[in-house]
Amino acid sequence: QVQLVQSGAEVKKPGASVKVSCKTSGYTFTGYYIHWVRQAPGHGLEWMGWINPNSGGTTYAQNFQGWVTMTRDTSISTAYMELSRLKSDDTAVYYCARGGGSPNWFDPWGQGTLVTVSS
Amino acid sequence: QSALTQPRSVSGSPGQSVTISCTGTSSDVGGYNYVSWYQQHPGKAPKLMIYDVSKRPSGVPDRFSGSKSGNTASLTISGLQAEDEADYYCCSYAGTNVIFGGGTKLTVL
Repeated sequence: QVQLVQSGAEVKKPGASVKVSCKTSGYTFTGYYIHWVRQAPGHGLEWMGWINPNSGGTTYAQNFQGWVTMTRDTSISTAYMELSRLKSDDTAVYYCARGGGSPNWFDPWGQGTLVTVSS
Repeated sequence: QSALTQPRSVSGSPGQSVTISCTGTSSDVGGYNYVSWYQQHPGKAPKLMIYDVSKRPSGVPDRFSGSKSGNTASLTISGLQAEDEADYYCCSYAGTNVIFGGGTKLTVL
């Protein structure tokens, strides 16, 4: 079955960077986009952008342009999301999700990675 | 771009129907037939329930249905069951962006 398994929780200091991985299985990695969505504690969902695993092309949400980088390694069917210059309000659960034919079709989702930013 | 507007909470008794609204603008909900809905239980990842306004992925019960009129989309859950108690988020394409609603907590009384 289709699975997306993310890396474990991280604790970072303000100003640092974090890189979250999303290992996929059960489908052709290069056939579907990977999206990243975050959820601050007690808050709603916020779309960060997507990567096309086939070409490596990316589109980032306006709020994240200049400080998020999405990459992939097709040899191990894994996508990555790196966020730099972390602030305390970047504390959130970060999800990867497989994209489909529609631009906001996300199915399934990874289990989420909690990133805590604290001095 | 602002989040889509959803009621903070709705409730219903088992067997009843509830409808959750999602209001946007002509630049998002009203401009594209790309509205999706996600169900999220506490501590879990979201799950796709509706896409392309009214389509259900395989495995989602037909008690869940979606619709849209103008700039407002709606999710209707009929025959409420205890396991439907969760947070629900609408989501719309908005040109180069994707935006979510603030979420609605559904309580099954």
